[in-house]
Amino acid sequence: AQKVTQAQTEISVVEKEDVTLDCVYETRDTTYYLFWYKQPPSGELVFLIRRNSFDEQNEISGRYSWNFQKSTSSFNFTITASQVVDSAVYFCALSEGTNTGNQFYFGTGTSLTVIP
Amino acid sequence: NAGVMQNPRHLVRRRGQEARLRCSPMKGHSHVYWYRQLPEEGLKFMVYLQKENIIDESGMPKERFSAEFPKEGPSILRIQQVVRGDSAAYFCASSHRTGLSGNTIYFGEGSWLTVV
Repeated sequence: AQKVTQAQTEISVVEKEDVTLDCVYETRDTTYYLFWYKQPPSGELVFLIRRNSFDEQNEISGRYSWNFQKSTSSFNFTITASQVVDSAVYFCALSEGTNTGNQFYFGTGTSLTVIP
Repeated sequence: NAGVMQNPRHLVRRRGQEARLRCSPMKGHSHVYWYRQLPEEGLKFMVYLQKENIIDESGMPKERFSAEFPKEGPSILRIQQVVRGDSAAYFCASSHRTGLSGNTIYFGEGSWLTVV
């Protein structure tokens, strides 16, 4: 079973629109960690955020915000006033507390295109 | 550049040849991870290493693939007798410490292997 599901394969928005990328995870651990990474067209993976399962407080960083809801096992990512430079593939990932190897489970990614 | 360094960025091999991918972790990091990204898929965990030790290789194919992280020098992911299905992006990541899950891992820019 897929531990991390990103149902949106591709999203296109017009510049300055807001966009939310969905992430649903599955785990039996009570301690776990969630991450978002960005992969721009150049290919590298850029770390965006890390949250632990005990901290449900939403986080805002500039135009980026994250909504963590344990009740729905979701960790959604919103970009406000999108820009062309936001065009990238975004990956959500899960690391479980019982995993001593720190293995990350990645979703299949959401490809975001921001149209100027 | 104090980030995770991977080389080569792009590698072309004929079927049956060997591919060697190198990774130098971020300064101060002693834990290395290798992930594989197949076309149109998310990243899949392959192996986790510390200096001179393989900690978790549960994601490594049983044959042809091996990894090492010697006391001196970079980590090496070695693929023998490559086949077309090995064509993928191979990402190395490093972290400062682990043993516990949830430590942020920082990725290199990836090595794109093409088997012709």
